[in-house]
Amino acid sequence: GDSVTQMEGPVTLSEEAFLTINCTYTATGYPSLFWYVQYPGEGLQLLLKATKADDKGSNKGFEATYRKETTSFHLEKGSVQVSDSAVYFCALILNQAGTALIFGKGTTLSVSS
Amino acid sequence: DGGITQSPKYLFRKEGQNVTLSCEQNLNHDAMYWYRQDPGQGLRLIYYSQIVNDFQKGDIAEGYSVSREKKESFPLTVTSAQKNPTAFYLCASSKVMDTEAFFGQGTRLTVV
Repeated sequence: GDSVTQMEGPVTLSEEAFLTINCTYTATGYPSLFWYVQYPGEGLQLLLKATKADDKGSNKGFEATYRKETTSFHLEKGSVQVSDSAVYFCALILNQAGTALIFGKGTTLSVSS
Repeated sequence: DGGITQSPKYLFRKEGQNVTLSCEQNLNHDAMYWYRQDPGQGLRLIYYSQIVNDFQKGDIAEGYSVSREKKESFPLTVTSAQKNPTAFYLCASSKVMDTEAFFGQGTRLTVV
């Protein structure tokens, strides 16, 4: 079935380090892809999205490129800050009527100063 | 400000009691969803509704019930039949299904 697989965490980095969180997907057809972020005790916020192959989503210094050939949507940031500490979820939605977001299990990022 | 409001933020109930979680949105979205979040398991879909007076079971609907009598509101009832109700519950909405969803702040339910 359709699914999203994320690298297991936690990911622990020092401030200003480079971040990569891997995400791969399995889906019928051509899904839209998303990254959501969850700060402690809060709901999810949409971080970025890409709706077709080779699209690059970006927001707040984070980027991810929709790679159809490798079915991947890895999240990257060049220089992380302590305030980036959160749980990051990769998700997909099939571009078919009546479907809901399918989430990965989440990756916890902890950034220390 | 438009958004999704979940209440209460924290909820404690005794085992065997039904409890209803509130979710209201003023984004004029047609679709609404309930997800359950447990540590290490990501988000799992409980119920969703594409339009008023219609809703469908998600992946883990057993022990839960919903209603959608108004476009703005999608309450979730956790019944005594739900074996492990302690969890973080997230409500979301989207303009229509198969588009990105926006989330509320969540309700943490603890059953003792």
